Amino acid sequence: DQQVKQNSPSLSVQEGRISILNCDYTNSMFDYFLWYKKYPAEGPTFLISISSIKDKNEDGRFTVFLNKSAKHLSLHIVPSQPGDSAVYFCAASGNYGQNFVFGPGTRLSVLP
Amino acid sequence: ETGVTQTPRHLVMGMTNKKSLKCEQHLGHNAMYWYKQSAKKPLELMFVYNFKEQTENNSVPSRFSPECPNSSHLFLHLHTLQPEDSALYLCASSQVRLAGGSYNEQFFGPGTRLTVL
Repeated sequence: DQQVKQNSPSLSVQEGRISILNCDYTNSMFDYFLWYKKYPAEGPTFLISISSIKDKNEDGRFTVFLNKSAKHLSLHIVPSQPGDSAVYFCAASGNYGQNFVFGPGTRLSVLP
Repeated sequence: ETGVTQTPRHLVMGMTNKKSLKCEQHLGHNAMYWYKQSAKKPLELMFVYNFKEQTENNSVPSRFSPECPNSSHLFLHLHTLQPEDSALYLCASSQVRLAGGSYNEQFFGPGTRLTVL
């Protein structure tokens, strides 16, 4: 059973609009979350993180929101750019540890 | 070289071959990882090394044998693999902070695409 779920395999957004990527988890022990972006033929690139003591973290165009009671996090990209087209993974760990569980990914396409 | 590098980028091997994957990190990190990504499946953590010592083995079959000679290099030795072991193998590194909690953003290499015939 997947502990980290990304229920939308793909998402298409118009350039300049907001992209919202969602991630749900089942393990209440998870307390640290990462988002990665992956282009074809490259390894995942770290984007942004959030710990369970926060409910929001921002870095430029990227904002991650964490709703612990719902076991849900989301990544907002504003404004979306064509270069943001990639597969986005969320990952979670417990006890701020190194054993990250990854979701299956969501493919984002930003249309010009 | 910068970041995390992996060689070879592509590898085709028979089930009776022995081969090795190499990873090198140029970030001064103290932890290294091997991940496997099979088609249509999430990334799966295989091994964790902290300060050259293996601290995690996620029930990986013994036909995969990791080696970490120093904190910058990590190898994955492969022998008698099966076709279902065909996958993308990713190496990552991070800086583990021992005091005050560890926020372990992991930095990935480009991966080795392995095909077992």
